[in-house]
Amino acid sequence: QSALTQPPSASGSPGQSITISCTGTSSDVGGYDYVSWYQQHPGKAPKLTIYEVTKRPSGVPDRFSGSKSGNTASLTVSGLQAEDEADYYCSSYAGNNILLFGGGTKLTVL
Amino acid sequence: QVQLQESGPGVVNPSETLSLTCGVSGYPVGNGYYWGWIRQTPGKGLEWIGVTYPYRNTYYNPSLNSRVTISIDMARNQFSLKLTSVTAADTAVYYCVRSRTGVTTAPFDYWGQGTLVTVSS
Repeated sequence: QSALTQPPSASGSPGQSITISCTGTSSDVGGYDYVSWYQQHPGKAPKLTIYEVTKRPSGVPDRFSGSKSGNTASLTVSGLQAEDEADYYCSSYAGNNILLFGGGTKLTVL
Repeated sequence: QVQLQESGPGVVNPSETLSLTCGVSGYPVGNGYYWGWIRQTPGKGLEWIGVTYPYRNTYYNPSLNSRVTISIDMARNQFSLKLTSVTAADTAVYYCVRSRTGVTTAPFDYWGQGTLVTVSS
């Protein structure tokens, strides 16, 4: 299995919305509704932000939302805030009890 | 509150075995959930290493399968990672994690702080 594909970087101004994509195949992203997104600030461990494509853990602002179409999942951050500047990683179940991650996207708030 | 803490050598010689332990507080490891390891390298981002469930199965990344072992020590409420025949490519920050639910499709909502392991002589 290959890693999922994410754009290396994304940026937006405060208050804007930004969408980060995560592209896989029909064997992972497209085949299961088990896509998660993790937010990672520098020097910190990743934090679960979205799971099962669209669900938010308690405590995660509703500015964060997830979706999926075909083999591509997306994370949208609405009303960008300075504290949203971080690296974001997608992951997907790939069958046979295997998990894949994306390469990560560095989100910059301008 | 569940807390995870990695421990182990920060430097490992090439061709030797990397051994890390994850101490768990706030929840008995034998009571369920998947416990596992994820590593992060600058060039490859996050990489799933594998998970184990008490009294049930253990699953590994196929790319590491022949070199990796994850095991649980319920008496000490901890679990461990062993990676044999390491090379410089195994240099990474290693995180121990716990799954959100007791199924293999579950994401990880508890993470240790991470520990850097460098493979070098």
